[in-house]
Amino acid sequence: DADVTQTPRNRITKTGKRIMLECSQTKGHDRMYWYRQDPGLGLRLIYYSFDVKDINKGEISDGYSVSRQAQAKFSLSLESAIPNQTALYFCATSDPGAEVYNEQFFGPGTRLTVL
Amino acid sequence: GQQLNQSPQSMFIQEGEDVSMNCTSSSIFNTWLWYKQDPGEGPVLLIALYKAGELTSNGRLTAQFGITRKDSFLNISASIPSDVGIYFCAGQPLQGAQKLVFGQGTRLTINP
Repeated sequence: DADVTQTPRNRITKTGKRIMLECSQTKGHDRMYWYRQDPGLGLRLIYYSFDVKDINKGEISDGYSVSRQAQAKFSLSLESAIPNQTALYFCATSDPGAEVYNEQFFGPGTRLTVL
Repeated sequence: GQQLNQSPQSMFIQEGEDVSMNCTSSSIFNTWLWYKQDPGEGPVLLIALYKAGELTSNGRLTAQFGITRKDSFLNISASIPSDVGIYFCAGQPLQGAQKLVFGQGTRLTINP
């Protein structure tokens, strides 16, 4: 079973629609992250959460919001999707006490297309 | 914000060739990590580096943490078809516990 799962894996939506991407993890990690990947730009941090009551903006948070419903769940929302939010979205987790400090574990990604 | 410049952006090589890629920054990083992303999957950690000058190997992969703490390189020896994918460097800034900054990625294509 995958440790970090993302749903949906693929989504096509229209401009102006609200959409939620969900992430669940069974690793027991407190820290969770949302990134987007664009060709030639690498991975850019959208939001991160170090525990259930902690939410922080990342490098490119405009147009996005998040919810940390539980230690295991971290959702990313696009309130009104626009075409330049078309990208591959990744959720990741980490454990500050891990043997390999700073290692982040990534989900399989959600490919989002906004028409 | 802090940026990592990763090069080359893409590589087309023959099976069996050695590969070299690097990341540079104008800022100092505490940690350098190298990830690989297979098609349709999320990135997976290959090597982690924690000390300036550190040289670490993982099978055919070798990575180094630059002396200035502003750069790192990854070498792959004797490439094989399963090495195909996108390789990312990532650095942990001085301020930013467990926040990582990622490079733009190097897409590796191997001709059999």
